[in-house]
Amino acid sequence: DSGVTQTPKHLITATGQRVTLRCSPRSGDLSVYWYQQSLDQGLQFLIQYYNGEERAKGNILERFSAQQFPDLHSELNLSSLELGDSALYFCASSGGTILTDTQYFGPGTRLTVL
Amino acid sequence: DAKTTQPPSMDCAEGRAANLPCNHSTISGNEYVYWYRQIHSQGPQYIIHGLKNNETNEMASLIITEDRKSSTLILPHATLRDTAVYYCIANNNAGNMLTFGGGTRLMVKP
Repeated sequence: DSGVTQTPKHLITATGQRVTLRCSPRSGDLSVYWYQQSLDQGLQFLIQYYNGEERAKGNILERFSAQQFPDLHSELNLSSLELGDSALYFCASSGGTILTDTQYFGPGTRLTVL
Repeated sequence: DAKTTQPPSMDCAEGRAANLPCNHSTISGNEYVYWYRQIHSQGPQYIIHGLKNNETNEMASLIITEDRKSSTLILPHATLRDTAVYYCIANNNAGNMLTFGGGTRLMVKP
């Protein structure tokens, strides 16, 4: 158990819909990262938040957005869903300091868009 | 992050040592070598990381060559539960994203 929790575990929805994925980082970790893993693309970085502020952006679509709240949990919002958005979405957290920046991953949310 | 190269797949007999190689010939002086594994569709699991010296923990050992251009992850007594995709990643350990390649699919066989 990494200490990172994600909900829900599975999500099935229809094209055009909007969903929210939730991540709670390990206790004390300030950084949250979101990654997407689809069959044909492998694990890809989407976005990172550090202590409530966006720190880095990767290959995140404009239909996707995220935020990190004062209690440090994070949400990833996916809207106008397409079939190609079906994937595993992982959240990771780290302490955010240079010396202790190992990322620990949650169990993921499996999103299926029908 | 420096690019890493790993063999796409490897087999290992249960109980034997699994030695997983990784090439990172363009690694920078401030980049660490990280190893993660992903069992089926679970979240990637951190295994070990190192900068220059060899490292050992309860899961594995990491051997880094003196020129830092390659490394080997050693699972000393592989079990069937070690069957997974193993990712070698070069990262500067400064809070940046991890860049995952294709990894090595390790199959541990009875």
